[in-house]
Amino acid sequence: DVKVTQSSRYLVKRTGEKVFLECVQDMDHENMFWYRQDPGLGLRLIYFSYDVKMKEKGDIPEGYSVSREKKERFSLILESASTNQTSMYLCASSLRTGGYNSPLHFGNGTRLTVT
Amino acid sequence: KQEVTQIPAALSVPEGENLVLNCSFTDSAIYNLQWFRQDPGKGLTSLLLIQSSQREQTSGRLNASLDKSSGRSTLYIAASQPGDSATYLCAVPLPQGGSEKLVFGKGTKLTVNP
Repeated sequence: DVKVTQSSRYLVKRTGEKVFLECVQDMDHENMFWYRQDPGLGLRLIYFSYDVKMKEKGDIPEGYSVSREKKERFSLILESASTNQTSMYLCASSLRTGGYNSPLHFGNGTRLTVT
Repeated sequence: KQEVTQIPAALSVPEGENLVLNCSFTDSAIYNLQWFRQDPGKGLTSLLLIQSSQREQTSGRLNASLDKSSGRSTLYIAASQPGDSATYLCAVPLPQGGSEKLVFGKGTKLTVNP
């Protein structure tokens, strides 16, 4: 079974802090994604990476950056956390299939609260 | 722009009932559609992926169909159980050729009452 592991289930951070959310997958997937999920807004894509050191902005990249130095690890960075970044953050991975898509596998999420 | 809609937003049924969840999308130029389940406070679990050539996919008591021409998919759950209570989301790829990114519906929250 594919396993996507997010390093923290819950995080509480202060406004202005730099925050790192870590995600690791164990199935050699090329694609990795960061989403945030908010009530009423659904899932929104923050960043997507299709290979090591490669990244694409999603729908809401402002205030975030990402790092993918190794294939199995994809990090989301909040440069200066703000209260409007309080949310559930979900990491996901899939095989790169050129658009035909393989199933998307999610981690259990990180509930981030910024105070 | 691809938009995905799931109606109703919430559904409550008695145990044992067969039920259908709906998903519609605006751009029919998709290769496939995925259905996911999400338990409260957890990530999403992939249930079924239907390729456009398949039209239908089954897993246990779940059956998903895809009608690209009408921009619709349904997820049929047979003999529902309280353990089926969760939010069910559908997702389709962006219509640009070769896109690996998905657009998600907001989900249908299903409650199965014992």
